[in-house]
Amino acid sequence: SYEVTQPTSVSVSPGQTATITCSGDKLEETYACWYQKKTGQSPVLVIYQNNKRPSGIPERFSGSKSGSTATLTISATQTTDEADYYCQAWDYTTVLFGRGTQLIVL
Amino acid sequence: EEQLVESGGGLVQPGRSLRLSCTGSGLRFGDFTFAWFRQAPGKGLEWVGYIRSKGYGGTTETAASLKGKITISRDDSKSIAYLQMNSLKSEDTGVYYCTRDHGGWNAFDIWGQGTMVTVSS
Repeated sequence: SYEVTQPTSVSVSPGQTATITCSGDKLEETYACWYQKKTGQSPVLVIYQNNKRPSGIPERFSGSKSGSTATLTISATQTTDEADYYCQAWDYTTVLFGRGTQLIVL
Repeated sequence: EEQLVESGGGLVQPGRSLRLSCTGSGLRFGDFTFAWFRQAPGKGLEWVGYIRSKGYGGTTETAASLKGKITISRDDSKSIAYLQMNSLKSEDTGVYYCTRDHGGWNAFDIWGQGTMVTVSS
């Protein structure tokens, strides 16, 4: 179910702002959420309903959506933010999941 | 603490079946929808399917590519969700995760640690 599209990778320098986009027609009609997945660890929800942060997620993680594109922004990126980030949306009863974006912090 | 723990993974021969379990604790298991995802080695996360709470009919949805291959069920009295997989192939190898649909958030907020399934002769 890859009907949302993300860039394969994004590079950012420590302390700078990282931006990861997610696009798909269904995003016009539904919320987007974002997950962080580090190697060997379980996914962690970092943004839900386009721009809300679960408890415990640092404020430097923010989300937005405009039309058919959702954006995850990580401000003052830290080396510990290096991970794969997945966008997720819904198509009625089907889960739409992006292929993931590798965030490289160097 | 709300927690999900997967079990049942391991080495299985091609063509065989396997049933994974997802046991919840610290949460009102029966109130929630639970989903399964998987990640093949070197690949991204893939949605497998989910089962709604009994309040929403207890029905299931499955990723199109896996229809006919998997069955998801639940036993709320034991706080367990199951993923039954049949006719396993090498491409089914990976880590399988169970997760909770928060419901009000339209997102999956609690994830288990995953269980590894290796399909090989």
